[in-house]
Amino acid sequence: GAGVSQSPSNKVTEKGKDVELRCDPISGHTALYWYRQSLGQGLEFLIYFQGNSAPDKSGLPSDRFSAERTGGSVSTLTIQRTQQEDSAVYLCASTPNQGRDTQYFGPGTRLTVL
Amino acid sequence: AQSVTQLGSHVSVSEGALVLLRCNYSSSVPPYLFWYVQYPNQGLQLLLKYTSAATLVKGINGFEAEFKKSETSFHLTKPSAHMSDAAEYFCAVSGRTGRRALTFGSGTRLQVQP
Repeated sequence: GAGVSQSPSNKVTEKGKDVELRCDPISGHTALYWYRQSLGQGLEFLIYFQGNSAPDKSGLPSDRFSAERTGGSVSTLTIQRTQQEDSAVYLCASTPNQGRDTQYFGPGTRLTVL
Repeated sequence: AQSVTQLGSHVSVSEGALVLLRCNYSSSVPPYLFWYVQYPNQGLQLLLKYTSAATLVKGINGFEAEFKKSETSFHLTKPSAHMSDAAEYFCAVSGRTGRRALTFGSGTRLQVQP
């Protein structure tokens, strides 16, 4: 079946612009995660959605970062007023239930802030 | 809070040689442990996971890992390296309670020499 998909695969933007990154989880998966992978910080958790529960936003690095998940499926990560340190690969993952199960990762979006 | 430490950011082996990638975890109770592999420009793929059943876990592509509580370790091994095993490997941990997101190690890049 189809895996987790993310778009765009690459995004180049200028410092100060806003960007939106999209994640389509595996159909039927109720949990969705965003992570960031950067050279300096490695793989970091950003935000977690589970069904209709309030998201766990504890990993968001600043208030310039936000995310939403509409209809329990597609998620959008928004970065406002991008900075050069936001350059990274943004990975999305989903799991089929509330359990601490395998997370299935998408290919990521590579964000470059000039 | 859980954490993992991967010893060795780069490991080089000859084709056919034993692969040993080290991971130590820190947690007050035995956590869930995972090994993921990342090929260039791709997302993360699960190799194997430990969730409290057998301490010796077998994964895909001939990899296995042994959970050793006394050593707080979860090292990844493969008896005979293939060229196709060249990739970056991440150990990750998730607690049995609390935050469900994965905490990743810093990664080990495996190089396989012909």
